[in-house]
Amino acid sequence: DADVTQTPRNRITKTGKRIMLECSQTKGHDRMYWYRQDPGLGLRLIYYSFDVKDINKGEISDGYSVSRQAQAKFSLSLESAIPNQTALYFCATSDELGTQYFGPGTRLTVL
Amino acid sequence: GDSVTQMEGPVTLSEEAFLTINCTYTATGYPSLFWYVQYPGEGLQLLLKATKADDKGSNKGFEATYRKETTSFHLEKGSVQVSDSAVYFCASRRRGYGGSQGNLIFGKGTKLSVKP
Repeated sequence: DADVTQTPRNRITKTGKRIMLECSQTKGHDRMYWYRQDPGLGLRLIYYSFDVKDINKGEISDGYSVSRQAQAKFSLSLESAIPNQTALYFCATSDELGTQYFGPGTRLTVL
Repeated sequence: GDSVTQMEGPVTLSEEAFLTINCTYTATGYPSLFWYVQYPGEGLQLLLKATKADDKGSNKGFEATYRKETTSFHLEKGSVQVSDSAVYFCASRRRGYGGSQGNLIFGKGTKLSVKP
């Protein structure tokens, strides 16, 4: 079984809809991350969490929110989706040495 | 602030050719350095890493040496295969675990295509 899982893997939605992307991990790591990937821009950090009570904004948090329901679960929400949020979204965890472990990604399309 | 710059792609090579993907970094102090690989339709996977100057990371025939004097961490492979076709990301991580110090700074990625 995969250590970091994401659901859904693909999602098409309309402008203005609320969307939640979910991430679960079995690695026992405290640190979790949400990134978005756009062609030519690499990965950009949206939010990160050190533990259930510690959540921090990344470089592109506007238009997004997160919830850390448990050590193993970290959800990303788009309160009112817009077309320029169409991207590939990745969840990741990190061990104490800084190595990150990525989920398979969620491809989101906002029409 | 910290940053990572890697050569732009795409890079197209024939099978068994030599590969170099350049990566340079700017950072306060001496970061840890990483190469991640993303195969089509998948998430990123750690390929190799180095945590101090002159360290060489290696995996699956790929190598990269941490060069403090040139602030570089170039990825090399002596003979690429079709199965190496992927996007490669260079990343740095500042030492320390508090605040944002533990976060990775990624380059923009280099797409490699290997033709038979």
